[in-house]
Order: sequence, then structure tokens, then C-alpha cells
Amino acid sequence: AQKITQTQPGMFVQEKEAVTLDCTYDTSDQSYGLFWYKQPSSGEMIFLIYQGSYDEQNATEGRYSLNFQKARKSANLVISASQLGDSAMYFCAMRDDKIIFGKGTRLHILP
Amino acid sequence: GAGVSQTPSNKVTEKGKYVELRCDPISGHTALYWYRQSLGQGPEFLIYFQGTGAADDSGLPNDRFFAVRPEGSVSTLKIQRTERGDSAVYLCASSLQPNTEAFFGQGTRLTVV
Repeated sequence: AQKITQTQPGMFVQEKEAVTLDCTYDTSDQSYGLFWYKQPSSGEMIFLIYQGSYDEQNATEGRYSLNFQKARKSANLVISASQLGDSAMYFCAMRDDKIIFGKGTRLHILP
Repeated sequence: GAGVSQTPSNKVTEKGKYVELRCDPISGHTALYWYRQSLGQGPEFLIYFQGTGAADDSGLPNDRFFAVRPEGSVSTLKIQRTERGDSAVYLCASSLQPNTEAFFGQGTRLTVV
């Protein structure tokens, strides 16, 4: 069965520092996709980045990169040069059929 | 429209009543997902459509919940005999194909009083 684990309920990071949000997953499928979403206090779910299980390169989108370690079944999100507007809930998700989400990490960026 | 549209944005209903929540996906997206999100929690999977058919409905909590997508575009989530525990934000997402990113609507906040 699919499972997504985010072990950091909350994080505090100084503005302009890099931050890594942890995500591990479990699946028996060989073909799957990994996602990260941001949910600010407004409630909208904003797609950030996607990594396919067969992609050899780590996905990057601007300040976001996904550190994909297939053997360890981890898909950590790295945000470089954090900004105050990065404060939000962050969800890791996986799809091999349906998409399931982790419990999220609340990130607080400190000025 | 350009994005996923969900209506209504807010719904207050009395316990025991029937409600319908609508999701209008991005045009051309074949996959459609419904989730339920309680405060401080991650989205909880309910049902996934590929085209008109429900590919996976294993997340529907009980037989009071039902969803349809008769023409492969708009979907309706139906909840019968609502209970206070059904109160949550119901999110809909769509993706172009199964292995592409999914985009979410703004959600419907359901409150059962």
C-alpha cells in the first residue's frame, strides 16, 4: 500500500537561509510520481514541483528542488534563499494510481 | 475557465440533509480527484476518476458518499444524511493525464450544524 511520511510537523527558519523539508514514501510499484504542494493560510493548494520515478535528474523549479533518493525512498524538498512568503504548510504527495498526501510540515520563515 | 472551479465555495447545511458539491476541472483534463481536508491535516483521498469511470473509490468513508462524472468533465460529490463529522473542506483536483501534476480548486467548505 502507498504511504507518505512527513516527520517534521513544524519548522522555523531564518529568512534567506535554505530549508529542507523531509518526505519518505513507500510503494511496491516501479512507476510512480512524487509531488510537493504549498498551502498558505488562504487554503489554496499550489503545485510546486514534480519528480517521476524514472527521472534520473532531480527536479528543479526556480528556488525549489527535489532531492530524490530512490533507494532510500525519500523525496525531500529544498527551498533555497527562503522568503517570508514561503511561510505555509507544505505537503508531499505520491501517485502510483491515486494521489495520497502526507500530514504536512508547517514552515515558518523568521525575519 | 483557466483553473479548477468548485461550487459552492461555502455550504452550511443541517444535520441529516443532502448536499451536492460540484467540481469543474481544467478543460481536457482526464483525471479528477476528490479529497477531504480537516483543519491542520493533509488532504484525505476520497475518489479518483479517469474519464467517466471511478478508477478508485476506496477513500469514500461510507455509503452516504457518492460521486459521479457522467460526461468525463464536471463531477459532483453527493453526501446523503449529512453528519457533523462531515464538516471539512472538500477539495477537487484535475490532471491532464494520470502521470502529470494535479491542479486544485479553491475547495468547498462544508459545515454541518
